[in-house]
Amino acid sequence: SQQGEEDPQALSIQEGENATMNCSYKTSINNLQWYRQNSGRGLVHLILIRSNEREKHSGRLRVTLDTSKKSSSLLITASRAADTASYFCATDRTTGGFKTIFGAGTRLFVKA
Amino acid sequence: DTEVTQTPKHLVMGMTNKKSLKCEQHMGHRAMYWYKQKAKKPPELMFVYSYEKLSINESVPSRFSPECPNSSLLNLHLHALQPEDSALYLCASSHPGLAGGPGYETQYFGPGTRLLVL
Repeated sequence: SQQGEEDPQALSIQEGENATMNCSYKTSINNLQWYRQNSGRGLVHLILIRSNEREKHSGRLRVTLDTSKKSSSLLITASRAADTASYFCATDRTTGGFKTIFGAGTRLFVKA
Repeated sequence: DTEVTQTPKHLVMGMTNKKSLKCEQHMGHRAMYWYKQKAKKPPELMFVYSYEKLSINESVPSRFSPECPNSSLLNLHLHALQPEDSALYLCASSHPGLAGGPGYETQYFGPGTRLLVL
């Protein structure tokens, strides 16, 4: 398996529901970031969480990081149809030289 | 200005053509990146420039040639590409990390260039 794997691969929910996506990684990291991508366009940065942080909030987004389990979760509360997109986690490893590695992504579909 | 721009948006080229992708940012970022993204796959890092010097080349074939003429511009020169090189090419920029190296900071992405090689 690869650094920054995510589950589920796809998620379909109703507007107003919460969406939770998970990301796991293998090597030590400096930080972990979540991005959103609409329909094969550029990535939009959502939130960065550093390895010494456990939780961060930004609007309707909540990100947690558990370095002991090498995992992170992204919670989107009160989802909207406009949240329909692919969500990727990205890690910057600290060993073996710098590299940003993206997870496989979760495709979220929010039904109106 | 918090935008990364890329031109062209779309590009179709033959295997014998030479073309260039361009990326520009005016956020004062000194680290710039090229990524390749195939359909329904995550972006894969290709190159990283830090302070206008190539610092990372992820074993990319020589038919891809990056160039960073100044702190705001990043080019990707393409020559003799293969059909499997068709993809979305994304540019990103960030502040350099600690000790002047790349990474570990938020990367801002452009909208990408969708490349089709015939």
